[in-house]
Amino acid sequence: GQSLEQPSEVTAVEGAIVQINCTYQTSGFYGLSWYQQHDGGAPTFLSYNALDGLEETGRFSSFLSRSDSYGYLLLQELQMKDSASYFCAVTALTRNFNKFYFGSGTKLNVKP
Amino acid sequence: IAGITQAPTSQILAAGRRMTLRCTQDMRHNAMYWYRQDLGLGLRLIHYSNTAGTTGKGEVPDGYSVSRANTDDFPLTLASAVPSQTSVYFCASSDAGDLGNEQFFGPGTRLTVL
Repeated sequence: GQSLEQPSEVTAVEGAIVQINCTYQTSGFYGLSWYQQHDGGAPTFLSYNALDGLEETGRFSSFLSRSDSYGYLLLQELQMKDSASYFCAVTALTRNFNKFYFGSGTKLNVKP
Repeated sequence: IAGITQAPTSQILAAGRRMTLRCTQDMRHNAMYWYRQDLGLGLRLIHYSNTAGTTGKGEVPDGYSVSRANTDDFPLTLASAVPSQTSVYFCASSDAGDLGNEQFFGPGTRLTVL
């Protein structure tokens, strides 16, 4: 089966750094993605890790440790517009086709 | 059309009625997906299609059916709606040739079954 765990809510102040963790149990694990979703909006892709290590994209970075079945999303220099829900998602390879399984999301509240 | 579109934006439906949610993409992506999102929960995969003419079941397929007659369209049908199908439905697509691929999501359909 598949399971993903991430904190339900995190609060941080503008300008700070926040880390959102994700642990997973997945058969056929291929990679870990992160998506952002603002209230009432659609999820949008942020980053993807297939190999261990850190991927950096501007203010956002994502990390993966395959041996620990663990990853995190790091948001730096927080801005008010970063207030949103963040979902980790695993890509699982099944019969030569990739399926995606999403965590329940972490609501990030950025305060002035 | 640019990207992926869904229709209708929202719908209130009486229980027992049949309903088709439409999804169209113009990115020539092979893979398409239907998810439902309930309050406090992540996205749960209903059905998927890795190429035109083929479909597969996701985590929560019961009560839903899909078809994939061509690359662009992937409609989701509720044969006889029940209140537990009240949810926000998202359609997504990706380039199935790239296993590290990004999914592109439509704007969603908010469905209420009474």
